[in-house]
Amino acid sequence: RKEVEQDPGPFNVPEGATVAFNCTYSNSASQSFFWYRQDCRKEPKLLMSVYSSGNEDGRFTAQLNRASQYISLLIRDSKLSDSATYLCVVFRTMNYGGSQGNLIFGKGTKLSVKP
Amino acid sequence: NAGVTQTPKFQVLKTGQSMTLQCAQDMNHNSMYWYRQDPGMGLRLIYYSASEGTTDKGEVPNGYNVSRLNKREFSLRLESAAPSQTSVYFCASSPQLYNSPLHFGNGTRLTVT
Repeated sequence: RKEVEQDPGPFNVPEGATVAFNCTYSNSASQSFFWYRQDCRKEPKLLMSVYSSGNEDGRFTAQLNRASQYISLLIRDSKLSDSATYLCVVFRTMNYGGSQGNLIFGKGTKLSVKP
Repeated sequence: NAGVTQTPKFQVLKTGQSMTLQCAQDMNHNSMYWYRQDPGMGLRLIYYSASEGTTDKGEVPNGYNVSRLNKREFSLRLESAAPSQTSVYFCASSPQLYNSPLHFGNGTRLTVT
């Protein structure tokens, strides 16, 4: 099982739609969670961090479920400019209580918003 | 507001040739990274430098070497390029090791024939 798994999509949705992406992680030592956005042939950029209590940034809402080991990203009122690949990223430590660890990137979920 | 600058943007090499990918950041970040991205794969860490003067192997270090020249610069060297190293390479930096967000450069598209 891959350490971080995402549905690759593509998700093809009309403008204004609500779309949700899920991401599962397998390592319970995972500590921090992020969503990055990557436009076609561009570098990844941080979209938002994911907190245990859930967090919202405008039209974007991120949720974390530690018990089930999954992270979600909800996009409301989709815009054409939301078309991109969304990368789920997990930071896990190598040693309990230590700071050494690794960022594990999912393969990404592609979103295409159509007019 | 340069951020992370990578050069070159594109490169074509023949098998066995060598080259160095350059990366520089102007954000006074301590940590720097080199990733590769292949179709159908997530970003994979090649090497990283937690701070000036230190470098460590990542997930896929074979065939690569790195140099943390100073706090700003972190270069990636391919000594003898192989077709399996055809990929898009991203340099990134962060204030501390894995302290989000990672700031990525624009990437280098490398083809080895």
